[in-house]
Amino acid sequence: EAQVTQNPRYLITVTGKKLTVTCSQNMNHEYMSWYRQDPGLGLRQIYYSMNVEVTDKGDVPEGYKVSRKEKRNFPLILESPSPNQTSLYFCASSKNGETQYFGPGTRLLVL
Amino acid sequence: QKEVEQNSGPLSVPEGAIASLNCTYSDRGSQSFFWYRQYSGKSPELIMFIYSNGDKEDGRFTAQLNKASQYVSLLIRDSQPSDSATYLCAGYFNDYKLSFGAGTTVTVRA
Repeated sequence: EAQVTQNPRYLITVTGKKLTVTCSQNMNHEYMSWYRQDPGLGLRQIYYSMNVEVTDKGDVPEGYKVSRKEKRNFPLILESPSPNQTSLYFCASSKNGETQYFGPGTRLLVL
Repeated sequence: QKEVEQNSGPLSVPEGAIASLNCTYSDRGSQSFFWYRQYSGKSPELIMFIYSNGDKEDGRFTAQLNKASQYVSLLIRDSQPSDSATYLCAGYFNDYKLSFGAGTTVTVRA
Protein backbone atom coordinates (compact mmCIF):
# COMPACT_ATOMS: atom_id res chain seq x y z
CA GLU A 1 0.00 0.00 0.00
CA ALA A 2 1.32 3.41 -1.03
CA GLN A 3 1.69 5.52 2.06
CA VAL A 4 3.52 8.14 4.08
CA THR A 5 4.23 7.17 7.68
CA GLN A 6 5.20 9.38 10.60
CA ASN A 7 6.44 8.53 14.05
CA PRO A 8 5.59 9.22 16.75
CA ARG A 9 1.96 10.15 16.28
CA TYR A 10 1.76 11.90 19.63
CA LEU A 11 4.58 13.41 21.65
CA ILE A 12 4.75 15.38 24.86
CA THR A 13 8.13 16.84 25.72
CA VAL A 14 9.74 19.64 27.70
CA THR A 15 11.42 22.80 26.54
CA GLY A 16 14.95 22.24 25.28
CA LYS A 17 14.86 18.47 24.93
CA LYS A 18 15.93 17.54 21.41
CA LEU A 19 13.49 15.44 19.43
CA THR A 20 13.14 13.89 16.00
CA VAL A 21 9.97 13.12 14.11
CA THR A 22 10.51 10.53 11.41
CA CYS A 23 8.82 10.46 8.02
CA SER A 24 9.03 7.70 5.46
CA GLN A 25 7.36 7.13 2.08
CA ASN A 26 7.25 4.03 -0.10
CA MET A 27 6.23 5.68 -3.38
CA ASN A 28 9.72 6.51 -4.61
CA HIS A 29 8.83 10.20 -4.62
CA GLU A 30 11.55 12.76 -5.15
CA TYR A 31 9.80 15.57 -3.30
CA MET A 32 9.10 15.60 0.43
CA SER A 33 7.94 18.35 2.70
CA TRP A 34 7.09 19.19 6.30
CA TYR A 35 4.17 21.35 7.39
CA ARG A 36 2.79 22.55 10.65
CA GLN A 37 -0.87 23.25 11.16
CA ASP A 38 -2.16 25.69 13.72
CA PRO A 39 -5.75 26.87 14.29
CA GLY A 40 -6.68 29.75 11.98
CA LEU A 41 -3.34 29.63 10.16
CA GLY A 42 -3.77 26.62 7.94
CA LEU A 43 -0.84 24.55 6.77
CA ARG A 44 2.50 26.30 6.70
CA GLN A 45 5.52 24.77 5.07
CA ILE A 46 8.58 24.31 7.27
CA TYR A 47 11.13 22.70 4.94
CA TYR A 48 11.06 20.79 1.72
CA SER A 49 13.38 18.55 -0.21
CA MET A 50 13.49 18.07 -3.95
CA ASN A 51 15.74 15.03 -3.79
CA VAL A 52 18.45 13.33 -1.75
CA GLU A 53 20.79 15.88 -0.17
CA VAL A 54 18.71 18.79 -1.54
CA THR A 55 16.67 20.71 1.03
CA ASP A 56 15.35 24.25 1.28
CA LYS A 57 13.48 26.46 3.70
CA GLY A 58 9.75 26.92 3.57
CA ASP A 59 7.77 29.69 5.22
CA VAL A 60 8.51 28.91 8.88
CA PRO A 61 11.91 27.17 9.17
CA GLU A 62 13.14 28.79 12.41
CA GLY A 63 13.82 26.25 15.14
CA TYR A 64 13.75 23.23 12.82
CA LYS A 65 16.28 21.14 10.94
CA VAL A 66 15.86 18.46 8.32
CA SER A 67 18.03 16.01 6.45
CA ARG A 68 17.52 13.88 3.35
CA LYS A 69 20.13 11.15 3.25
CA GLU A 70 17.85 8.59 1.66
CA LYS A 71 15.06 9.09 -0.83
CA ARG A 72 12.40 7.50 1.34
CA ASN A 73 13.16 9.28 4.64
CA PHE A 74 12.87 12.92 5.65
CA PRO A 75 13.19 13.41 9.42
CA LEU A 76 12.27 16.66 11.17
CA ILE A 77 14.57 17.66 14.01
CA LEU A 78 13.82 20.10 16.79
CA GLU A 79 17.17 20.78 18.46
CA SER A 80 15.73 22.82 21.34
CA PRO A 81 11.93 22.73 21.29
CA SER A 82 9.98 25.65 22.69
CA PRO A 83 6.29 25.94 23.60
CA ASN A 84 5.55 27.90 20.41
CA GLN A 85 6.41 24.76 18.47
CA THR A 86 3.42 22.99 19.95
CA SER A 87 1.48 22.09 16.84
CA LEU A 88 0.21 19.39 14.51
CA TYR A 89 2.91 18.35 12.05
CA PHE A 90 2.41 16.72 8.67
CA CYS A 91 4.92 15.17 6.36
CA ALA A 92 4.02 14.95 2.67
CA SER A 93 5.55 13.45 -0.42
CA SER A 94 5.06 14.08 -4.10
CA LYS A 95 6.45 12.95 -7.39
CA ASN A 96 6.87 16.50 -8.66
CA GLY A 97 6.02 18.88 -5.79
CA GLU A 98 2.45 19.44 -6.90
CA THR A 99 0.02 16.70 -5.88
CA GLN A 100 1.11 15.92 -2.35
CA TYR A 101 0.25 12.91 -0.23
CA PHE A 102 0.15 13.50 3.48
CA GLY A 103 1.16 11.35 6.40
CA PRO A 104 -1.20 10.84 9.37
CA GLY A 105 0.23 13.72 11.40
CA THR A 106 2.21 14.09 14.62
CA ARG A 107 0.68 16.03 17.46
CA LEU A 108 3.44 17.68 19.51
CA LEU A 109 3.06 19.37 22.88
CA VAL A 110 6.07 21.22 24.29
CA LEU A 111 5.77 22.09 27.98
CA GLN B 1 0.56 39.13 2.17
CA LYS B 2 -0.46 35.49 2.07
CA GLU B 3 -0.30 34.02 -1.38
CA VAL B 4 -3.54 32.08 -1.00
CA GLU B 5 -6.54 33.43 0.90
CA GLN B 6 -9.69 31.71 2.00
CA ASN B 7 -11.92 34.26 3.65
CA SER B 8 -15.27 32.54 3.70
CA GLY B 9 -16.59 30.34 6.43
CA PRO B 10 -17.56 28.56 8.40
CA LEU B 11 -20.24 27.40 6.02
CA SER B 12 -23.40 25.55 6.99
CA VAL B 13 -25.63 24.06 4.30
CA PRO B 14 -28.63 21.71 4.39
CA GLU B 15 -28.28 18.22 3.02
CA GLY B 16 -28.80 18.17 -0.72
CA ALA B 17 -27.83 21.82 -1.24
CA ILE B 18 -24.81 23.24 -3.08
CA ALA B 19 -21.84 24.32 -1.00
CA SER B 20 -19.71 27.02 -2.62
CA LEU B 21 -16.14 27.64 -1.47
CA ASN B 22 -13.87 30.40 -2.69
CA CYS B 23 -10.19 31.09 -2.71
CA THR B 24 -8.13 34.00 -4.08
CA TYR B 25 -4.43 34.13 -4.81
CA SER B 26 -1.87 36.84 -5.25
CA ASP B 27 0.65 35.44 -7.69
CA ARG B 28 -0.24 35.63 -11.36
CA GLY B 29 2.54 33.18 -12.08
CA SER B 30 0.87 30.37 -10.18
CA GLN B 31 -0.27 27.63 -12.51
CA SER B 32 -1.77 24.83 -10.46
CA PHE B 33 -4.44 24.78 -7.80
CA PHE B 34 -5.63 22.09 -5.49
CA TRP B 35 -8.52 21.44 -3.17
CA TYR B 36 -7.90 19.21 -0.18
CA ARG B 37 -10.46 17.90 2.28
CA GLN B 38 -9.51 17.41 5.91
CA TYR B 39 -11.70 15.64 8.41
CA SER B 40 -11.23 16.57 12.04
CA GLY B 41 -8.08 14.95 13.42
CA LYS B 42 -7.09 13.52 10.04
CA SER B 43 -4.60 14.45 7.36
CA PRO B 44 -5.55 16.39 4.22
CA GLU B 45 -6.60 14.34 1.22
CA LEU B 46 -6.68 15.60 -2.35
CA ILE B 47 -10.11 16.12 -3.88
CA MET B 48 -9.31 17.91 -7.10
CA PHE B 49 -6.65 19.81 -8.97
CA ILE B 50 -7.09 22.30 -11.77
CA TYR B 51 -4.58 23.86 -14.13
CA SER B 52 -6.65 25.54 -16.84
CA ASN B 53 -9.18 28.33 -16.85
CA GLY B 54 -12.74 27.13 -16.66
CA ASP B 55 -14.52 24.32 -14.90
CA LYS B 56 -13.43 20.82 -14.02
CA GLU B 57 -15.98 18.34 -12.79
CA ASP B 58 -15.46 15.14 -10.82
CA GLY B 59 -18.60 13.52 -9.51
CA ARG B 60 -20.34 15.93 -7.18
CA PHE B 61 -17.37 18.29 -7.12
CA THR B 62 -16.65 21.09 -9.58
CA ALA B 63 -13.54 23.23 -9.43
CA GLN B 64 -13.46 26.57 -11.21
CA LEU B 65 -10.39 28.60 -12.06
CA ASN B 66 -10.33 32.19 -13.26
CA LYS B 67 -6.75 33.31 -13.78
CA ALA B 68 -7.68 36.84 -14.88
CA SER B 69 -9.50 37.46 -11.59
CA GLN B 70 -7.16 35.23 -9.60
CA TYR B 71 -9.71 33.08 -7.90
CA VAL B 72 -10.44 29.41 -7.53
CA SER B 73 -13.69 27.94 -6.32
CA LEU B 74 -15.09 24.56 -5.36
CA LEU B 75 -18.73 23.61 -5.66
CA ILE B 76 -20.09 20.60 -3.85
CA ARG B 77 -23.43 19.55 -5.30
CA ASP B 78 -25.99 17.45 -3.45
CA SER B 79 -24.08 17.97 -0.19
CA GLN B 80 -24.03 15.01 2.17
CA PRO B 81 -23.30 14.87 5.91
CA SER B 82 -20.09 13.02 4.99
CA ASP B 83 -18.94 16.20 3.22
CA SER B 84 -18.68 17.95 6.59
CA ALA B 85 -14.99 18.79 6.84
CA THR B 86 -12.48 21.56 6.40
CA TYR B 87 -11.60 22.32 2.79
CA LEU B 88 -8.15 23.66 2.02
CA CYS B 89 -7.27 25.54 -1.12
CA ALA B 90 -3.64 25.40 -2.27
CA GLY B 91 -1.63 26.99 -5.05
CA TYR B 92 1.58 25.62 -6.49
CA PHE B 93 4.16 28.29 -7.17
CA ASN B 94 7.23 28.02 -9.33
CA ASP B 95 9.64 27.64 -6.41
CA TYR B 96 8.37 24.17 -5.47
CA LYS B 97 6.19 25.59 -2.77
CA LEU B 98 2.61 24.58 -2.21
CA SER B 99 0.90 27.42 -0.34
CA PHE B 100 -2.30 26.72 1.54
CA GLY B 101 -5.17 28.91 2.57
CA ALA B 102 -6.42 28.78 6.15
CA GLY B 103 -9.32 26.52 5.19
CA THR B 104 -13.10 26.71 5.20
CA THR B 105 -15.08 24.50 7.55
CA VAL B 106 -18.23 23.09 6.00
CA THR B 107 -21.07 21.58 8.00
CA VAL B 108 -23.85 19.76 6.17
CA ARG B 109 -27.06 19.67 8.23
CA ALA B 110 -29.10 16.50 7.91
